[in-house]
Formats: sequence, structure tokens, C-alpha cells
Amino acid sequence: GDSVTQMEGPVTLSEEAFLTINCTYTATGYPSLFWYVQYPGEGLQLLLKATKADDKGSNKGFEATYRKETTSFHLEKGSVQVSDSAVYFCALSDPTNTGNQFYFGTGTSLTVIP
Amino acid sequence: NAGVTQTPKFRVLKTGQSMTLLCAQDMNHEYMYWYRQDPGMGLRLIHYSVGEGTTAKGEVPDGYNVSRLKKQNFLLGLESAAPSQTSVYFCASSSHLNTGELFFGEGSRLTVL
Repeated sequence: GDSVTQMEGPVTLSEEAFLTINCTYTATGYPSLFWYVQYPGEGLQLLLKATKADDKGSNKGFEATYRKETTSFHLEKGSVQVSDSAVYFCALSDPTNTGNQFYFGTGTSLTVIP
Repeated sequence: NAGVTQTPKFRVLKTGQSMTLLCAQDMNHEYMYWYRQDPGMGLRLIHYSVGEGTTAKGEVPDGYNVSRLKKQNFLLGLESAAPSQTSVYFCASSSHLNTGELFFGEGSRLTVL
């Protein structure tokens, strides 16, 4: 079945450091891939997405590239800010599933210190 | 710009009490979902619905019931609350298209004593 595995946290970085959060997936079809972000006390919101192989999603300085050959969708940011402190979830949507389509990783907590 | 609205935001129950969480979306989405979020466990799907009048079980359905009588509303019920149901509950919705973005509510924090 479909699944998402992402890097365990928590991750603590200094401001302006480089961020990578690893995400790999297993899917029977050709999924769309997502990164969601959850700020303290809030619901999840879409950060970026990619719908086919080699697509790069980007938003707010974050990037992730859909790599079919390595079944990965790693999240990167060149210079993190304190305001990036949040929990990040990798997810996939597999349209070949007639029922539930969405699968989430367990989340990675990021804390950025000044 | 309401999106997905959950009520109530907070609730404290005693063991054995019942309650209903309401989720409403104004985006005309076909799919709606209820998740629970617990520390270290990510999001777990409780029930979902692929359209008005339909519901299906997710990963952790025991102890919960749902109804989708109107397309815009998805209700989650606890008939006899247990301390193990203390959690943060999130509702989400999506269109039937396979671009698949989920839109989430702000969450409902439930404590069962």
C-alpha cells in the first residue's frame, strides 16, 4: 500500500542555516506530492506541491523536487528564519485509490533559534 | 473567506459522555475527512466521505461515527467518550480532482477526563 516516510525530528537550527527534511514515499500509482506546514495552534496548510516526476514545487523560499527514480520529495530552504519554526508534513495523493487518497508522514518539528 | 470551519474549538468531556464535532466547508468540495493528531503519531484518518450521503472508515474508526447529510457538512460523533479519545481533531476537504490539495480546519481540542 501507499505510505510516506519522513525524517524524524525534532530539528533545531540557527537562523540563516540550511534546512533539509527528507521524505520518501511508496505508491502504487503516480501520486501528487505535498509539503504541509503546521504553525503552533493552527491547522495544516499547504506549503508546496508537485504533481509529476521532475516537477519542483516552491513557496516562501522552500523547494522540493519530485524524484521518481529515488521516490523522494525532500524539503529544502537555503536560509531559515525564526518564523519558519513549525511542524512540517510530507504527504502524497494517489488518484488510483478509489477511497482515501491521502497519506501523511508523521511530521518533523523544526525550531529555529536566533 | 471561511474555507473549512470546525466547531467547537475546545471541549472537555467526562468519560461516557457524548458529543458531536461539526465541520463545514464552503468550497463545494466532494471529499471530506476527519483526522486526529496525537503527539509523535502524526495525522491518523478516522473516517472520510467521498460525497453527500456516503461515509467510509479510515485507519482508526473505532469509537467514532460520522454523517454527511449535506455536501457542505461532515459531523463526527463520539457516543461514549473515553480518555483515549483525548486528542486534537482536524477536518479537511478536497475537490475530486487528482491535484488533491487538502484544506484543513483550525482543529478542535478535545479532552476526556
